[in-house]
Amino acid sequence: QKEVEQDPGPLSVPEGAIVSLNCTYSNSAFQYFMWYRQYSRKGPELLMYTYSSGNKEDGRFTAQVDKSSKYISLFIRDSQPSDSATYLCAMSDPNAGKSTFGDGTTLTVKP
Amino acid sequence: GAGVSQSPRYKVTKRGQDVALRCDPISGHVSLYWYRQALGQGPEFLTYFNYEAQQDKSGLPNDRFSAERPEGSISTLTIQRTEQRDSAMYRCASSSVQGGNSPLHFGNGTRLTVT
Repeated sequence: QKEVEQDPGPLSVPEGAIVSLNCTYSNSAFQYFMWYRQYSRKGPELLMYTYSSGNKEDGRFTAQVDKSSKYISLFIRDSQPSDSATYLCAMSDPNAGKSTFGDGTTLTVKP
Repeated sequence: GAGVSQSPRYKVTKRGQDVALRCDPISGHVSLYWYRQALGQGPEFLTYFNYEAQQDKSGLPNDRFSAERPEGSISTLTIQRTEQRDSAMYRCASSSVQGGNSPLHFGNGTRLTVT
């Protein structure tokens, strides 16, 4: 079993919908949680970065971390066609020095 | 400023040949990471450096893979005696702070195809 599990989708929603993307993990040592967005033929780019449990909001994006359930989420409000991409969750143990990624969820927002 | 630069963008090589993949990180970034990404999967950790010191190479698949960062800037990932199973996208990332807790800035990768 992988340390980080992510539903691969694909997920298809109409423009303006609220999107929920999720990851679960098994390593209790993970303290930092990130979401990256990856467009086709490009490298991942950081979207959200959070530490420990709680919520963080940035524009249309909200990241949630529930360490007790080992579950993280990314919500996208008022989704746009330009949000169509693969979303990767990543997390790290402060003592390990590296990030572990999920396999990504592919999202398509239809106009 | 310039992002993380990787070269070549595409590399096709015959089985048994050696290849060298280059990464030029963002100027001033102290940490440099190598990941491998198969189609439809997330990046898989290979190795990382803080400055010129290789901190963790636990993700390198076998001893045909090696990496160096001799002056704490540009890094080279070398694969000796390539095999078809080595075909993948190889991604380099850098970060401004030591440790895996800081966000990574990725390059656009080198697509390696071993025929």
